Amino acid sequence: EVQLVESGGGLVQPGGSLRLSCAASGFTFSSYWMYWVRQAPGKELEWLANINQDGSEKRYVDSVKGRFTVSRDNAKNSLYLQMNSLRAEDTAVYYCARVEVLMTYHYYYMDVWGKGTTVTVSS
Amino acid sequence: DIQMTQSPSSLSASVGDRVTITCRASQSISKFLNWFQQKPGKAPNLLIYGASNLQSGVPSRFSGSGSGTDFTLTISSLQPEDFATYYCQQSYTTPLTFGLGTRLEIK
Repeated sequence: EVQLVESGGGLVQPGGSLRLSCAASGFTFSSYWMYWVRQAPGKELEWLANINQDGSEKRYVDSVKGRFTVSRDNAKNSLYLQMNSLRAEDTAVYYCARVEVLMTYHYYYMDVWGKGTTVTVSS
Repeated sequence: DIQMTQSPSSLSASVGDRVTITCRASQSISKFLNWFQQKPGKAPNLLIYGASNLQSGVPSRFSGSGSGTDFTLTISSLQPEDFATYYCQQSYTTPLTFGLGTRLEIK
């Protein structure tokens, strides 16, 4: 079964750090781009970052650039999100998602999602 | 950044109704538009990619259309399990952006 399982969320004080993990199974992890997406309570979805298959290409949304770092370990079938200098507005459910590509048209889409891990930034 | 505007923000409908949700991009995104369904406490579920391609396993009552800046998601005959929030998302360029969502409620 194709599956993504996030972990590492929790309660952290403003200015603190957390490292989220996303464990992949049931597919060849090293063949896929991966995304991190978050959703603040009662809010819309927000794309945070992407990473290509070998980790050589990464992009971030401006709101986390310089604070968050995406990485992956293909030997461990794992994706990570290192989050530093956390703020109250980073409180959200964090999802990892697999990116499928229809190469004929270069359509990129998130076809598999984890269940999410909750991060709460509060003193 | 490309802004995605969905309408309506909420919608009440009955089982069996035909429903259309629209999504407008702030600039042309060709057909780089995806639709997701999300139920409370759950992760989003992909319905449509590339504006009109039905994801495997998604019922055929869901369809998508549009290109450029204007897109629609249509549910041909609402089923009880379709009451959820729907999001459009552009995959044309980073940062990828989502609409604010359309909450579909039971009338």
